[in-house]
Amino acid sequence: AQSVAQPEDQVNVAEGNPLTVKCTYSVSGNPYLFWYVQYPNRGLQFLLKYITGDNLVKGSYGFEAEFNKSQTSFHLKKPSALVSDSALYFCAVRDRLAGANNLFFGTGTRLTVIP
Amino acid sequence: NAGVTQTPKFQVLKTGQSMTLQCAQDMNHNSMYWYRQDPGMGLRLIYYSASEGTTDKGEVPNGYNVSRLNKREFSLRLESAAPSQTSVYFCASSDTGVYSPLHFGNGTRLTVT
Repeated sequence: AQSVAQPEDQVNVAEGNPLTVKCTYSVSGNPYLFWYVQYPNRGLQFLLKYITGDNLVKGSYGFEAEFNKSQTSFHLKKPSALVSDSALYFCAVRDRLAGANNLFFGTGTRLTVIP
Repeated sequence: NAGVTQTPKFQVLKTGQSMTLQCAQDMNHNSMYWYRQDPGMGLRLIYYSASEGTTDKGEVPNGYNVSRLNKREFSLRLESAAPSQTSVYFCASSDTGVYSPLHFGNGTRLTVT
């Protein structure tokens, strides 16, 4: 069975500091991994994905994520946080062997960047 | 550059009433989805359509029906609304392929009293 865990409901970081939003996953086979961001009263927006290859994936708005197979993690990172990064972040996983409808989302982490 | 458009944005229903949530995409995507978002539970898949003419149940399909009217449109119907269906509903679309990201609409906030 597939699952995603985002262990932190809330992350606070000072503007200009590096940020990390954590995600761990569980799949039977090899995963496709995604990060999405949700701003208030909006739908989710795609940030980045890991399919294969380089473990460090770069995405939109300066975000990046590191795939770690041994720790089954896919943490979202940014070197220098902006106040405008404050939003709700979702990690999602799909088993490569599963059907296209089997995309599982974590429960979300609310990031607050403090000026 | 509309992307995925959902209507209505807000709706209040009484228990037992019915309604249809509309969704249309202009990105020529084959796959379309309906999710519900509840606090502390993330997004859960209600129904999925891989292509025009096909639909499949997701994680939480009970109490809902869907219609893939054509390639652009995918509607969600609540035949007899219940308070447990109070939620924010999102429609999404994607290219074919399990590595394709989803593109979401802005959601419909539904309250059932």
